[in-house]
Amino acid sequence: GAVVSQHPSRVICKSGTSVKIECRSLDFQATTMFWYRQFPKQSLMLMATSNEGSKATYEQGVEKDKFLINHASLTLSTLTVTSAHPEDSSFYICSASGGGEGYGYTFGSGTRLTVV
Amino acid sequence: QKEVEQNSGPLSVPEGAIASLNCTYSDRGSQSFFWYRQYSGKSPELIMSIYSNGDKEDGRFTAQLNKASQYVSLLIRDSQPSDSATYLCAVGTGGGNKLTFGTGTQLKVEL
Repeated sequence: GAVVSQHPSRVICKSGTSVKIECRSLDFQATTMFWYRQFPKQSLMLMATSNEGSKATYEQGVEKDKFLINHASLTLSTLTVTSAHPEDSSFYICSASGGGEGYGYTFGSGTRLTVV
Repeated sequence: QKEVEQNSGPLSVPEGAIASLNCTYSDRGSQSFFWYRQYSGKSPELIMSIYSNGDKEDGRFTAQLNKASQYVSLLIRDSQPSDSATYLCAVGTGGGNKLTFGTGTQLKVEL
């Protein structure tokens, strides 16, 4: 149980374009989802927290107009990187929480974004 | 500043030995503690969770929590080469299930 599917696994895009990343909870309802970014040899940095049906809460220093998060259902959250630039190239990982101990903190497989 | 600190390593242990990974945290209000394993280029995988003081064992893994001293550790018995990875300590505070991660300790299990 507690499977989180994330797509795409890899994406290469041109500078200035937008990229959408999907995160789905397959066998539980995810009341809360988290989006992280990880640069090489660094730890996970929380970007934002999204709760189903409400606006996402962004961490300090994260531009909400650049990283658009939508959590319209209990099984799907999307992160859209708008007007991507090479410095946005990173490993983006989502995590979903069903709220209970047994389901908490399951990570998706991650998305490697390269902006050229 | 809420922080989670880990020694970056690498920690090298011979195959079959016990690997001991340590983590300290600064927020005394922290209530949940997790160890994740991350292979290079992959997303983290939950190894252990612990919520109360003491030891929690699961197979070859034992998590130890001491809230008074604000540390949590992970012991890996009979270490295998496949255990070679980066181990991330994560701490949750209050409601909302938000986690703060340490920078991770790289473990190398040598033949």
